[in-house]
Amino acid sequence: GENVEQHPSTLSVQEGDSAVIKCTYSDSASNYFPWYKQELGKRPQLIIDIRSNVGEKKDQRIAVTLNKTAKHFSLHITETQPEDSAVYFCAANLNRDDKIIFGKGTRLHILP
Amino acid sequence: NAGVTQTPKFQVLKTGQSMTLQCAQDMNHEYMSWYRQDPGMGLRLIHYSVGAGITDQGEVPNGYNVSRSTTEDFPLRLLSAAPSQTSVYFCASSRARGPQETQYFGPGTRLLVL
Repeated sequence: GENVEQHPSTLSVQEGDSAVIKCTYSDSASNYFPWYKQELGKRPQLIIDIRSNVGEKKDQRIAVTLNKTAKHFSLHITETQPEDSAVYFCAANLNRDDKIIFGKGTRLHILP
Repeated sequence: NAGVTQTPKFQVLKTGQSMTLQCAQDMNHEYMSWYRQDPGMGLRLIHYSVGAGITDQGEVPNGYNVSRSTTEDFPLRLLSAAPSQTSVYFCASSRARGPQETQYFGPGTRLLVL
C-alpha cells in the first residue's frame, strides 16, 4: 500500500547546530506534506506544511523542502534550541482518498 | 473555543469488553479522524469522516466502528477489546472537507486492555 518512510528514527544534535529529517512518499499524486511536532506527553501540533506547487517554505528557524521528482521532502531546523527536543512526524496525503499517512517519527534530542 | 476534546483520558478494559471513546469539536470542522499511536509506529489512521453522515476506513480499521451523526461529534467504538488495542488514541479535526489543512488534535485517550 501507499506509505511514508521517515529517517532517521533518532537524531541527536548539539545545541545551536542544524537538524535535518527526511521523508519519502510513494503516491505520486500526493500534494500536501505537513510536519507535526509532539512533545513528551502532549498532542501532535502542526509546525509547517508545504504543497506540491512550491519547492521550499520557511518559517523562522524551520524550513521544509520538497522534491516531487524524487518523491521526498525534508524538515530543516537551524540554530537548534532545547525546546526543539521532541518527536517530529512527517505526513503526506493520498490524493485519491481523503487520507493523511504519517511517517513513524523522529525523536530529536538537543544536547547541551 | 474548547477545540478538540476527548473523554475519557485514561481507561482500563478487560479483554472482550466494549467501550466508546468520545471526541467532540466546537470549531465547525468538516473533517474528523481517529488515530492510534504505538511506540515506534507513528500515528496510524483508524477511521475518518469528511462530514456528517459520511465515514470511511483508514489504515487499521479492524475492531473499531465509528459514526458521524453531527458535525461536532465523532465517537470511536471498540466492539470487543483485545490486548492489541492497548494504545494512545487521538482524535483530530480540520476545517476543510479533506485533510489538506491543519489538523487539530485532541489531548488523547490512553487505553489499556488486560
